[in-house]
Amino acid sequence: DSGVTQTPKHLITATGQRVTLRCSPRSGDLSVYWYQQSLDQGLQFLIQYYNGEERAKGNILERFSAQQFPDLHSELNLSSLELGDSALYFCASSVAAGGNLDTQYFGPGTRLTVL
Amino acid sequence: AQKVTQAQTEISVVEKEDVTLDCVYETRDTTYYLFWYKQPPSGELVFLIRRNSFDEQNEISGRYSWNFQKSTSSFNFTITASQVVDSAVYFCALSEGTSGSARQLTFGSGTQLTVLP
Repeated sequence: DSGVTQTPKHLITATGQRVTLRCSPRSGDLSVYWYQQSLDQGLQFLIQYYNGEERAKGNILERFSAQQFPDLHSELNLSSLELGDSALYFCASSVAAGGNLDTQYFGPGTRLTVL
Repeated sequence: AQKVTQAQTEISVVEKEDVTLDCVYETRDTTYYLFWYKQPPSGELVFLIRRNSFDEQNEISGRYSWNFQKSTSSFNFTITASQVVDSAVYFCALSEGTSGSARQLTFGSGTQLTVLP
């Protein structure tokens, strides 16, 4: 158990809908990262927050957004869902925003299925 | 741009055999970090090891060992005396950037290891 929690574990929804994925980082970690794992794209970085502020953006669609709250948990919002958004979404956390001892620990993931 | 290549898509071995998973990376940074993660059939990503670019010492942890060679931009992972429980997808990953900047991970495409009894 990495200490990173994600809810829900599974999510099934229809095209055009909006969903919210939730992540709680390990105790003491200030950084949260979101990744998408799909069969065709592999594991791709989406976005990172550090202590409530957006720090880096990767291949995140405009339909997707995220935020990190004062208690450091994070939510990833996916809207106008398409079939191609079906994937495993991982949250990871680390102590800081990048340092010599920084390692990302991953949650169990949320499997999103868009029908 | 950074890139990680895991040329071996699938490897199948018989239990107790040794197996090496290859990882080749590309980066322009002189400071970077390399990682291996394991993804068992249950789906979670499990951290195995982190290596800094300025530390080329090889590392051994039980049946696992890692060989980091900057001259060939490789960070290979060997499992000695493989076991069925080692069956998983193994990912090599790279992060770069100066101290204090974001360290997003760039992953390779993964190697599916199957250990047969």
